[in-house]
Amino acid sequence: TQLLEQSPQFLSIQEGENLTVYCNSSSVFSSLQWYRQEPGEGPVLLVTVVTGGEVKKLKRLTFQFGDARKDSSLHITAAQPGDTGLYLCAGGEYGNKLVFGAGTILRVKS
Amino acid sequence: DTGVSQDPRHKITKRGQNVTFRCDPISEHNRLYWYRQTLGQGPEFLTYFQNEAQLEKSRLLSDRFSAERPKGSFSTLEIQRTEQGDSAMYLCASSLEAGGAVHYGYTFGSGTRLTVV
Repeated sequence: TQLLEQSPQFLSIQEGENLTVYCNSSSVFSSLQWYRQEPGEGPVLLVTVVTGGEVKKLKRLTFQFGDARKDSSLHITAAQPGDTGLYLCAGGEYGNKLVFGAGTILRVKS
Repeated sequence: DTGVSQDPRHKITKRGQNVTFRCDPISEHNRLYWYRQTLGQGPEFLTYFQNEAQLEKSRLLSDRFSAERPKGSFSTLEIQRTEQGDSAMYLCASSLEAGGAVHYGYTFGSGTRLTVV
């Protein structure tokens, strides 16, 4: 089974600060996705990255897929309280299921 | 389409009882997945269907767990003789996969929170 490690596990910052969360694996994935989950709800897809080195931007969020397709990062610029939540990365196994990391809990204080 | 629906949202049951959860996926999606999530962890894969065929089951899915997807539409997950360790959020997701190597994302339901007392 391919494993994904996320860091940090928990992040508490002030509104307006920037942050980066990481997702690392020793395995290669066909794709990598980032989800955001709020308490009591299911994860919501933010982005899918497919090509090694790919960078995608979604408003204040920037996602990068490592050149070797083994790792990814999520950078948030000028964080807002609405960004608070659990951020999950998930790797796609060829033709098969997604494997999830344990997540990074982000708390943005106003 | 209203997305993926799960029912019930919450279930409290006594140890030893059987419970059944239902998931209605997005109608155009051919794949349906069940995951389990405990506090502070990411979702763990349980099983998935492509249309009506159950293609993979995790080792986490003991003999007390069974899932069905009759006619490739809704799915049910049954847990027999529940144990306290079964307490978790059970998430259902669906996707449209064309058989290639790349996933384009799951749509998750809101989950069923199971508490075994």
